[in-house]
Amino acid sequence: DVKVTQSSRYLVKRTGEKVFLECVQDMDHENMFWYRQDPGLGLRLIYFSYDVKMKEKGDIPEGYSVSREKKERFSLILESASTNQTSMYLCASSTRAGGGQETQYFGPGTRLLVL
Amino acid sequence: GENVEQHPSTLSVQEGDSAVIKCTYSDSASNYFPWYKQELGKGPQLIIDIRSNVGEKKDQRIAVTLNKTAKHFSLHITETQPEDSAVYFCAAFPPAQGAQKLVFGQGTRLTINP
Repeated sequence: DVKVTQSSRYLVKRTGEKVFLECVQDMDHENMFWYRQDPGLGLRLIYFSYDVKMKEKGDIPEGYSVSREKKERFSLILESASTNQTSMYLCASSTRAGGGQETQYFGPGTRLLVL
Repeated sequence: GENVEQHPSTLSVQEGDSAVIKCTYSDSASNYFPWYKQELGKGPQLIIDIRSNVGEKKDQRIAVTLNKTAKHFSLHITETQPEDSAVYFCAAFPPAQGAQKLVFGQGTRLTINP
């Protein structure tokens, strides 16, 4: 079974703090994604990576950065957390074999509250 | 870019009845349409998908239909059961937008009433 794990299920941070969200997958997938999930807005792509040290901006990258130093690990960084970044963050991974039509496997999510 | 609209946002049905969730997309080049189910406390999980060269696909109690002309696709769940209660997301894959970026709909919270 594919397993995508996220370092925390719940996080509470203060405005201005630097926040690290970690994601690890165990299926040797090339692609990894970070989404945020907000009620009524669905899943919005923040960043994705299709290889080690490679990254591409998604639809809402402002205020975020990412790091992929190893194939299995993809980190999301909030440089200076703000209250409007309070959200559910979902990590996903997929293979690159089918040119975009592969299943994305999601982690359980990290619910972040910024006070 | 691609835009996916999903309706309704909430849906409540009696156990045993059918449920239908509809999505429309804007980019006629989109060629892959997956549906994900998110149970409470979990990440979304793929339940069924359809490619643009197919009009309908079934898997036991769930089916997806695609109308390329009208640019809409729908999820049908028959004989609903309590375990079908979840949030469902549709998505579209527009190849022109780059590598493997799905565009998701807003989600539908489905509640099955016993």
